[in-house]
Amino acid sequence: DAAVTQKPRYLIKMKGQEAEMKCIPEKGHTAVFWYQQKQSKELKFLIYFQNQQPLDQIDMVKERFSAVCPSSSLCSLGIRTCEAEDSALYLCSSSLDWGGWNTLYFGAGTRLSVL
Amino acid sequence: AQSVTQPDARVTVSEGASLQLRCKYSYSGTPYLFWYVQYPRQGLQLLLKYYSGDPVVQGVNGFEAEFSKSNSSFHLRKASVHWSDSAVYFCALRAGGYKVVFGSGTRLLVSP
Repeated sequence: DAAVTQKPRYLIKMKGQEAEMKCIPEKGHTAVFWYQQKQSKELKFLIYFQNQQPLDQIDMVKERFSAVCPSSSLCSLGIRTCEAEDSALYLCSSSLDWGGWNTLYFGAGTRLSVL
Repeated sequence: AQSVTQPDARVTVSEGASLQLRCKYSYSGTPYLFWYVQYPRQGLQLLLKYYSGDPVVQGVNGFEAEFSKSNSSFHLRKASVHWSDSAVYFCALRAGGYKVVFGSGTRLLVSP
């Protein structure tokens, strides 16, 4: 089974603080996605990397987040200034390639609580 | 725009009973369709996927799903549920390109 690793599992920040979470994609996967999930509900797409390059991201990420994949084996998602609404489970997923039949493999997520 | 609707936020069934979780999608073409399961404190795991061929596709752990183009549906079924099936189930659609659209999920509770 594919394995995507996310660290840390839990993150607690005060409002206004910076947060950073990391993801190790499955080896050989070229596509990496970050999703935000609140209260076990639908996944909200945040950003997509292909071969370590960010190809699509929502406005919220452009404005307040920082996301990079400095290598094929490490990606990170940061929040420059945490807000209460950022409290959520952040899921990283990777796939062999970008589309079609390719399965997304998910990490267990980083649960961020902003106090 | 593509969308996925899971009309049932919560479903409760007795252990050993049959199960159907509903999924409706909106897309004019033929999408790639997926069912994922999320167990507590875990990420999502693939149960099954469909693009073409036999409209009934088999997945892991006894799950199957049936695609219906006329109804724009991709319902998930299981003949006999086990308590360990309690989880949140997500239907998802990829319409071409990289973006996957997820439904809002159905929380399944299997009662003893």
